[in-house]
Formats: sequence, C-alpha cells, structure tokens
Amino acid sequence: DIVMTQSPDSLAVSLGERATINCKSSQSVLYNPNNKNYLAWFQQKPGQPPKLLIYWASTRESGVPDRFSGSGSGTDFSLTISSLQAEDVAVYYCQQYSGNPYTFGQGTKVEIK
Amino acid sequence: QVQLQESGPGLVKPSETLPLTCTVSGVSISADYWGWIRQPPGKGLEWIAYVSNSGTTTYNPSLKSRVTISVDTSKNQLSLTLSSVTAADTAIYYCARGRSASGQRIFDYWGQGTLVTVSS
Repeated sequence: DIVMTQSPDSLAVSLGERATINCKSSQSVLYNPNNKNYLAWFQQKPGQPPKLLIYWASTRESGVPDRFSGSGSGTDFSLTISSLQAEDVAVYYCQQYSGNPYTFGQGTKVEIK
Repeated sequence: QVQLQESGPGLVKPSETLPLTCTVSGVSISADYWGWIRQPPGKGLEWIAYVSNSGTTTYNPSLKSRVTISVDTSKNQLSLTLSSVTAADTAIYYCARGRSASGQRIFDYWGQGTLVTVSS
C-alpha cells in the first residue's frame, strides 16, 4: 500500500495569513506516460463529508476559491491556503488514487490563531 | 445537481452482515463509477471499493473478502454489504461518485454519510 503522511498534524494560523500543509507518499504517484500526479486534496468540516478541493496535485475543482492551491510532484506535495479565512477551519486530507488501494493521509487540522 | 443519500441499519451486531444503500439523484448511475469510503468516528478516511456502471468492481484488498459492491440501474442505487462485522467496522460510511480520471477515479461528489455502530 502507498502510505500517505501529512505534516503537521495541526496548524494554527492568523486570519489572512498563509497556511501550508505537506503530504508525502511512500511511493511516487506520478504516472510517467501522461505526466500526471494522481494526488487529490479534500477539506472536511465538522459534521460534513469531505469536499474535493484539488486533483492532479494542482488542478482546482470547479467552485473552489483560488486562495487554495496545490503543488508538488512524485512523492512530495503541498496544499497552500494563501489567505486564511474563518470558513477554512477544517481538517484537510491528501489522497492518492494512483494504485489499489486508494489511501488517505491522516489529516491536518487547521485552526485560527 | 448530483446528490447522494446513504441509508443503513444504524446498529449491527457483531458477526452479522451490514447492508448499505446509496440513492443517487441528479445523474444516471449508469454514467460513471461509484464508491464507498468509511471514517471511524474522530479518525481518518478509508476507501472500501468502487464499481463501474457496467458492474466491474475494485476492492480494497484489506476488506475484499468481506465486501460486495453493486449497482442497481433500475433504482439508480449503489449498494454495499460488509460481512462478519466487528467493532472495528464502526464508522460513518460515505458513498461517492468516482469521476473517471485517466484510468483511475476521483471522488468528487459525496453523500452526507450514515453512521453504523457495531455492538451487541
């Protein structure tokens, strides 16, 4: 199985400041024939299902604010919230869909400082 | 607008079989792939399985021996059964659409989830 490890486990950031979450996979999720990274990011607010934010490591899902961005390739990835808003308080998960089984990181809790 | 709604028994006894149903609206279930993901209370996410519109199934190897996933196109429903349940199967179970993505699936629409507790 591909193990996804996120850091940090929790993060407190002031409103309007940048928040960065890291995700490392135990194997590369880059598929060379199409040069795509099979990596997604989800946001989960309390009592709600996960919401897809980013796929292909850096493509924003329709309707997701542009303050959310994804980067990285191979085994190392990041999700950045450029200017944290109150509504961004949530747990964020990375997920690889490169191979069976699909696996998720353990989650990173983002709070307001 | 794509909407998914899970339904299940809420409480299941150890060693019994858990049946779950997901009713899809706003899109034909024949149009894409569909999957199940679960989340133990207060913990992380675990992908269980997905099924194609033609019934082709892919399972998480850790659960494969106990899980069956299927679609009923006449009812626009997705189903999951999990046999021989234990307390470790207590979780919120989500159904989701698996959008086709260069040979794999991206879970873009999710239901609200249904909590299943395994207890005698």
